[in-house]
Order: sequence, then structure tokens, then C-alpha cells
Amino acid sequence: SQELEQSPQSLIVQEGKNLTINCTSSKTLYGLYWYKQKYGEGLIFLMMLQKGGEEKSHEKITAKLDEKKQQSSLHITASQPSHAGIYLCGATTGANSKLTFGKGITLSVRP
Amino acid sequence: NAGVTQTPKFQVLKTGQSMTLQCAQDMNHEYMSWYRQDPGMGLRLIHYSVGAGITDQGEVPNGYNVSRSTTEDFPLRLLSAAPSQTSVYFCASSYGLKHYEQYFGPGTRLTVT
Repeated sequence: SQELEQSPQSLIVQEGKNLTINCTSSKTLYGLYWYKQKYGEGLIFLMMLQKGGEEKSHEKITAKLDEKKQQSSLHITASQPSHAGIYLCGATTGANSKLTFGKGITLSVRP
Repeated sequence: NAGVTQTPKFQVLKTGQSMTLQCAQDMNHEYMSWYRQDPGMGLRLIHYSVGAGITDQGEVPNGYNVSRSTTEDFPLRLLSAAPSQTSVYFCASSYGLKHYEQYFGPGTRLTVT
């Protein structure tokens, strides 16, 4: 079965700093999804990537997909306390495969 | 649209009790799924459904039953609750499996004593 490894496990940054987190798949990626979760709440969809080299941005968050490395990175520019939460990546390995998730990365942003 | 709704929000059960977690969506999504989230384990798929009348097992199906009699509803039944089923349960739905974002409900926090 597919495994998704997210790194680092947790991250604490000062407000205003940039940061990058990663998601690496053990199998060929078909679709890669980034979600954000605030403590005690459900998951909020951020972005979906499906083509190698694809890059998408939403406000100050940019996600990229490196097809050769089977890896996606999520970059936050000028972090704010509102960016704090758990970031989960999910992936599918085929058109009809189920979505599986990594363990998540806990991000804290110090004011 | 209400999106994906889950009830109850919190539940405490005793070992051996049974209960049903409710999930409903009003977006006419074909695909619905149940996940459990445990510390250090991420989200794990329990059961899923690709349409009314069709269900299948996910990664951790033991101890849970599902049915899908309508497009809108996808209840999760715990047959005989065990402490290992203490977790946060999330229901999700999407138009399909292929390249569609999944919409998640707010979760049900279940404790089994």
C-alpha cells in the first residue's frame, strides 16, 4: 500500500518567516492533495496537484509537485498566526484509487 | 448548502455498547468515506462508498459496518465498542475519486471506556 511521509513532523516558526514542508510518496503519484486542520476541527482543502512540475498558489501558500521525486512541497511566505495548524497531504495512485493520508505536520507560528 | 454534517459531536460509550455515527451531505456527491484520526497515525480510511448501494472496505474496517441506502447519508455503525475505537471520526464526500477534492465534516470525538 502507498505510504506518505511528511517532514518535518512539527515546526515552530517566528511570525513573518518563510517555511517549507514536504510530502513524499512511496508510489507513483496520480493526484496530490494538501489539507489544513485546526485543532478539534475538520479538514479544509487547500490545493490539488496532478501534473509533474505543477505549482499552485493560494494567498501566501504555494504548493509544487516534483513527479520525479514523487514529492510535493508546500511553502508559506511571511507566516502568520492564522497559518498555525496541522497540514496533511493526501494522495491517490490511480484514477480509481482511494485517497490515503500522511500523518500530518504540526505548524506553530509565534507572534 | 450545509456541506457535510456529522452527529453527534461527542460521544462516550462503554465497552460492548453499539452506536451509529451519522453523516449526511447535501451536495449530491457520489463518493463518501469514513476516516478515523489517531495521534501519530494520521487519517486512516475505514469504509467508503462510490454510490448508493455500494460500499467497500478501507484500511481499518474491523469492528465497523456501513450502508448507503441514499446518496445523502452514510452512517457508520460500531457493533460492539472497544477502547481501541476511541478516536476522532471524520466523514468526507466528493463528486468522485478522480481529481476531486473531498469535503470533510467537523468530526465526532468518540471515547470508549
